[in-house]
Amino acid sequence: GAVVSQHPSRVICKSGTSVKIECRSLDFQATTMFWYRQFPKQSLMLMATSNEGSKATYEQGVEKDKFLINHASLTLSTLTVTSAHPEDSSFYICSAPTSNGGPNQPQHFGDGTRLSIL
Amino acid sequence: AQKITQTQPGMFVQEKEAVTLDCTYDTSDPSYGLFWYKQPSSGEMIFLIYQGSYDQQNATEGRYSLNFQKARKSANLVISASQLGDSAMYFCAMRVAGTASKLTFGTGTRLQVTL
Repeated sequence: GAVVSQHPSRVICKSGTSVKIECRSLDFQATTMFWYRQFPKQSLMLMATSNEGSKATYEQGVEKDKFLINHASLTLSTLTVTSAHPEDSSFYICSAPTSNGGPNQPQHFGDGTRLSIL
Repeated sequence: AQKITQTQPGMFVQEKEAVTLDCTYDTSDPSYGLFWYKQPSSGEMIFLIYQGSYDQQNATEGRYSLNFQKARKSANLVISASQLGDSAMYFCAMRVAGTASKLTFGTGTRLQVTL
């Protein structure tokens, strides 16, 4: 079945560091990928939609300059948390639909990245 | 705008029993899909089951079934013969046609299966 690979699974770094997270579709092409953030004991909140060949679309309240998204190819999207601070500590997870057709296609999720900023 | 509501923050069920996790939704779009995902403590999101707004029959997938009541805008997940490995967070989500595949998630229900 369709698989999405996300790397790294865990990052612990100092405040001020920029962190890059990769999301790859392994056996299908994904013109669109999604980035979510999940705080402890909360739901997934969509941060942005990553579009291959064009700029990402950010949800309201998400800082574009803070969370840089690059959809470099049909199988790779990256999220860079720039100058990360402790409040950016969270679980980040990406997903990709296997089809951009109707609403019946499930999204396939990566395993997530647990980011801890000290 | 779409909204998903899960009113049960936590549920307990005994092993081998059935449990129903509630989900109600709100959308004005006639074409939409409803999904249930399981999130164990390790964090990955595992797709369980899907129900389309035009589907005539309730979806079933192994021990999972979806009790879809369109008029009431509810899409409850039923897990039969619960197993200890079913202990996890469960999220209901909706996707509306034409919204670039965006998923809107509910707040989740934490299910604990006991002996």
